[in-house]
Amino acid sequence: QQQVKQSPQSLIVQKGGISIINCAYENTAFDYFPWYQQFPGKGPALLIAIRPDVSEKKEGRFTISFNKSAKQFSLHIMDSQPGDSATYFCAASSRGSEKLVFGKGTKLTVNP
Amino acid sequence: GAVVSQHPSRVICKSGTSVKIECRSLDFQATTMFWYRQFPKQSLMLMATSNEGSKATYEQGVEKDKFLINHASLTLSTLTVTSAHPEDSSFYICSAHPRGRTETQYFGPGTRLLVL
Repeated sequence: QQQVKQSPQSLIVQKGGISIINCAYENTAFDYFPWYQQFPGKGPALLIAIRPDVSEKKEGRFTISFNKSAKQFSLHIMDSQPGDSATYFCAASSRGSEKLVFGKGTKLTVNP
Repeated sequence: GAVVSQHPSRVICKSGTSVKIECRSLDFQATTMFWYRQFPKQSLMLMATSNEGSKATYEQGVEKDKFLINHASLTLSTLTVTSAHPEDSSFYICSAHPRGRTETQYFGPGTRLLVL
């Protein structure tokens, strides 16, 4: 049972464009939603995270949009750069549980 | 801050041997560390949760006698793959969260294991 569904599986964007990756969840107990960036052969790096009490969080070119009623959240990468080419994972966890539930990942390619 | 290291970064071993992977939190204390396994082009699969000073909690389907986990201090956890076989070849990643910040996991750089 996949608790966090992530789409698309792969994404190709031109330099300067906006990359959008979506995730949906079913477990209403989830209250923490991080995004991780992973380059080939490296461990995931925490990019940005959000809690359900806000609908949007922005850090530089990265923005998380959160829709609690729809149980969806998305990552927007503005002005996408070739250096952003990586695999992105959304995740979720619930209060009282230290475990993260990961989406299946999105491979982003930003063409120069 | 919040740096996690792993050693070795890559290991090649013969079938039947045991391999130990270390995970260290360099600038924070971690009461809990996690061990993941990742196959090519796939997501992270949680193997076990490691708590300092106590036995690890393994996820369903993970053989605890094959994947031995020791969390001897607040900054070090080790994963030993015993009697490794080619099917154990994978990318092993650890993570840890700083004390008091139980939701935020910081990941190590991973260890690539190849069993011949």
